[in-house]
Amino acid sequence: NAGVTQTPKFRILKIGQSMTLQCTQDMNHNYMYWYRQDPGMGLKLIYYSVGAGITDKGEVPNGYNVSRSTTEDFPLRLELAAPSQTSVYFCASSAPGRQGNTEAFFGQGTRLTVV
Amino acid sequence: DQQVKQNSPSLSVQEGRISILNCDYTNSMFDYFLWYKKYPAEGPTFLISISSIKDKNEDGRFTVFLNKSAKHLSLHIVPSQPGDSAVYFCAASSLSNDYKLSFGAGTTVTVRA
Repeated sequence: NAGVTQTPKFRILKIGQSMTLQCTQDMNHNYMYWYRQDPGMGLKLIYYSVGAGITDKGEVPNGYNVSRSTTEDFPLRLELAAPSQTSVYFCASSAPGRQGNTEAFFGQGTRLTVV
Repeated sequence: DQQVKQNSPSLSVQEGRISILNCDYTNSMFDYFLWYKKYPAEGPTFLISISSIKDKNEDGRFTVFLNKSAKHLSLHIVPSQPGDSAVYFCAASSLSNDYKLSFGAGTTVTVRA
């Protein structure tokens, strides 16, 4: 029962460094999402994908890139880390049904600190 | 432009009593509403949802009420238990927006013994 798996769980980056946050799901969901959560705030959508080969920007895409080459994987790339990207990152997946139920399943999160 | 708002950052309730969490939204295109529960150092987990064509949905101790005219929904937890202590997020989505979830800022619930 893996569901949505994110790696790593924690990471400290120096300003200007790059890294990729990995996300994989085993539920054959077509929709996948990346959110970030800052302290005291709700989750904000960074990027999302409605299927393999299709990605689109969310509310806060600047400084990030994504790709979706397979149904299972949706990595998030930070090219030049900045302190403003210090946050907790959540990957999620869903398979919206005909009734519009959009229940999304979330990974455990990646806590990223940029110093 | 926050489309989903939870105006109460925290709620303290005695064990066995009712917890009522509130959520307001501004986008009339939302057609599906969800509540998520989050423990520290974990991802949010789905709790209960409601379609815009309904005004109530119940699942065990959890009931969600939707008032479309007021653009307001609430989550009732009866009776509250210590394990309910968590952060609760209200979320909404619409078919016209690729079912992307818009989240409120969350309400931290503390259930006192």
